[in-house]
Amino acid sequence: DTGVSQNPRHKITKRGQNVTFRCDPISEHNRLYWYRQTLGQGPEFLTYFQNEAQLEKSRLLSDRFSAERPKGSFSTLEIQRTEQGDSAMYLCASSLAGWGNIQYFGAGTRLSVL
Amino acid sequence: EDQVTQSPEALRLQEGESSSLNCSYTVSGLRGLFWYRQDPGKGPEFLFTLYSAGEEKEKERLKATLTKKESFLHITAPKPEDSATYLCAVQAEGNKLVFGAGTILRVKS
Repeated sequence: DTGVSQNPRHKITKRGQNVTFRCDPISEHNRLYWYRQTLGQGPEFLTYFQNEAQLEKSRLLSDRFSAERPKGSFSTLEIQRTEQGDSAMYLCASSLAGWGNIQYFGAGTRLSVL
Repeated sequence: EDQVTQSPEALRLQEGESSSLNCSYTVSGLRGLFWYRQDPGKGPEFLFTLYSAGEEKEKERLKATLTKKESFLHITAPKPEDSATYLCAVQAEGNKLVFGAGTILRVKS
């Protein structure tokens, strides 16, 4: 069990550029979550998938953000036309349905928008 | 709206000085309360989950308890390696977790 893997670990971009992050969940987990965390705050829910279906999105998620999980395995999170306010740690978690919803987190991707 | 409030924001302890962290919550229907530990630059690491008032769980120097309105994380005889941010989260409707802002714990030797 290699845990949840996220790439890249760090991303520095200029305002207005598009960025994409990848998350590989624990292999047998069918649920995958994206959260965002800013300094001094707890993680904030963005969206969640069960298998390949995106079942919930936060109202805070603007239309510049899109997430996919095309084959029910890895997931990507894309941010278009980045803004300085998008600078944060983006965390991915996975869980197995029916096992108490215990979510296991990856190490995150830290995004800095200049 | 589901809310989680953690206190204190920061806590400094001497090695061996026991204390407790508080997590107060407001949810429409609690389906689980979770404690995580987070080290700087890393993702949250799962510690405990509690499902009903009166439930308790222990792991090494940590013990988590749950009432209808709050949860406590008790730390007995802490060591410097227990220094981290401790996050509390609740699951209400759906599967998302709602997190508090965390308590930063520093244990000095």
